[in-house]
Amino acid sequence: SAVISQKPSRDICQRGTSLTIQCQVDSQVTMMFWYRQQPGQSLTLIATANQGSEATYESGFVIDKFPISRPNLTFSTLTVSNMSPEDSSIYLCSVLRDVGGYTFGSGTRLTVV
Amino acid sequence: AQRVTQPEKLLSVFKGAPVELKCNYSYSGSPELFWYVQYSRQRLQLLLRHISRESIKGFTADLNKGETSFHLKKPFAQEEDSAMYYCALRGGYQKVTFGTGTKLQVIP
Repeated sequence: SAVISQKPSRDICQRGTSLTIQCQVDSQVTMMFWYRQQPGQSLTLIATANQGSEATYESGFVIDKFPISRPNLTFSTLTVSNMSPEDSSIYLCSVLRDVGGYTFGSGTRLTVV
Repeated sequence: AQRVTQPEKLLSVFKGAPVELKCNYSYSGSPELFWYVQYSRQRLQLLLRHISRESIKGFTADLNKGETSFHLKKPFAQEEDSAMYYCALRGGYQKVTFGTGTKLQVIP
């Protein structure tokens, strides 16, 4: 199954700044998914990133706030823009496995101060 | 709309006791259901999926379409089972919805 490297693993950022999270997969995948897990809550899908096309955002998430890049079939980035304390969360990328189910990155724990 | 409900935030059981983590779902089509587990300081990982009807680490889960449930069960809990468990549903367009998770605490 796919192995995902995600970085940074954690960061503390000032409000108003932006952070870019990187996700590298060891095999080519068509779809990559970005999730957010706020403290004490479940995982919420932010967007689906397909190579060669615009990301598809879920309700409540917009491209200006969470721009996504997908330059090739093994890599994607998620940027959290103009951060506020409400953006403090764990951000995860994931890919669909061949045998079904999803493989997740180790997550990025973001704290906005 | 698709929805997953895990009614228990925390479930504490003694070692050797049976475990049942509850999951109910709402989806108009034919769902694909999963259980994910996250051990302390580890990443979220797939535990099992209903299609494969497998037993992983002694855990099983049966899809009950009549009750729209996919409860996770294990006859004898082990300390190493202590973790966060998430039920998830994949519906249309590969979209996956997660439940809020249940923390399983196995008491020695």
